[in-house]
Amino acid sequence: AQSVTQPDIHITVSEGASLELRCNYSYGATPYLFWYVQSPGQGLQLLLKYFSGDTLVQGIKGFEAEFKRSQSSFNLRKPSVHWSDAAEYFCAVGAGGGADGLTFGKGTHLIIQP
Amino acid sequence: DTAVSQTPKYLVTQMGNDKSIKCEQNLGHDTMYWYKQDSKKFLKIMFSYNNKELIINETVPNRFSPKSPDKAHLNLHINSLELGDSAVYFCASSLGLEGNQPQHFGDGTRLSIL
Repeated sequence: AQSVTQPDIHITVSEGASLELRCNYSYGATPYLFWYVQSPGQGLQLLLKYFSGDTLVQGIKGFEAEFKRSQSSFNLRKPSVHWSDAAEYFCAVGAGGGADGLTFGKGTHLIIQP
Repeated sequence: DTAVSQTPKYLVTQMGNDKSIKCEQNLGHDTMYWYKQDSKKFLKIMFSYNNKELIINETVPNRFSPKSPDKAHLNLHINSLELGDSAVYFCASSLGLEGNQPQHFGDGTRLSIL
């Protein structure tokens, strides 16, 4: 069965600084990987996804993520964060068949300091 | 237009009661899901429906009964509510069952059991 680990429960970053959120996955085949963002009281919004091809994928809101098969990682990055980026971020893996839904990591809570 | 909408947004009720949460998607998707997010923000799949057919039931108590009257709707009925049912319940949909299909989430229903 697949699993996702987000090692950082909380991360605090100053506004304007760069950001990297870590995600490691475990899955036997080629994974389908996603990053979602959840603002307080809201649902989950898809930031970006990786299926195959170029290992650096671009998403919405200036986010990007890099798939590294050798490290089983799919880290999310942003060069300069804004106060509005404060939210909960979830990494997820989709199995090949899809019927199992998405397996989520436990999330990373991002705090932006002025 | 809201793509995936859930009602109600908040639900406060007493232990032992029966309640329902409704979900509708206007994306023309074939697959719909229910997820439970606990107090620590952990998201876990509960049910998956494809073309009105139940695909998975991830060891959810049979007090939870999903119903899909058509492809655009997936409702969740809960009998004999317990304290441990307090959580945020998210409905989601995707184009199909394949694992590479991004899922679109509703804003969630926050269920509080007194």
